[in-house]
Amino acid sequence: DAGVTQSPTHLIKTRGQQVTLRCSPKSGHDTVSWYQQALGQGPQFIFQYYEEEERQRGNFPDRFSGHQFPNYSSELNVNALLLGDSALYLCASSLSGDTSQETQYFGPGTRLLVL
Amino acid sequence: DAKTTQPPSMDCAEGRAANLPCNHSTISGNEYVYWYRQIHSQGPQYIIHGLKNNETNEMASLIITEDRKSSTLILPHATLRDTAVYYCIVMIYNQGGKLIFGQGTELSVKP
Repeated sequence: DAGVTQSPTHLIKTRGQQVTLRCSPKSGHDTVSWYQQALGQGPQFIFQYYEEEERQRGNFPDRFSGHQFPNYSSELNVNALLLGDSALYLCASSLSGDTSQETQYFGPGTRLLVL
Repeated sequence: DAKTTQPPSMDCAEGRAANLPCNHSTISGNEYVYWYRQIHSQGPQYIIHGLKNNETNEMASLIITEDRKSSTLILPHATLRDTAVYYCIVMIYNQGGKLIFGQGTELSVKP
């Protein structure tokens, strides 16, 4: 049973460029959440996708956008990169439903360096 | 969302039990307590969660006080591979729960 996978593992970009990160959820999961983790900090919630729509969003500017595909995989896009966007980007998947419990399982992350 | 308070760091001897405390005094009745850990530069790993009853799985035990204002994660026989940052999070399912991470507790297991 494959867990959450993310690509690429590492990425180097320059200021002003755009980047796309990809995530495949754990088998059987239909919900994808994205988090940003700066060095030495805990992960911060960016947004969550369910049924191909953004269901919830954290305190991130519109430069951060996403997409979810019919197969539940997801992309995170960041436009006009800033030096401060350098971070580990984490994807987590879960299963939505009637249960009041949603356990999120994380992928290994994509480390983005903006120069 | 309720906030949590954890000690910034703890040490534990290999083979001994590691008891990691967490305060969540403003937790509401329908918020769950989740524990994750993160080994350096890896994605967070789910450990355990609970609502009000004590829980145990193959990794750890979770003890929640009767008033639900605090909890303790117990690793019964800590190994060097348990060295990590441990995050205590409270979360409500509300059409998409979001995890709000604090600074966590950096646990060092020493030989």
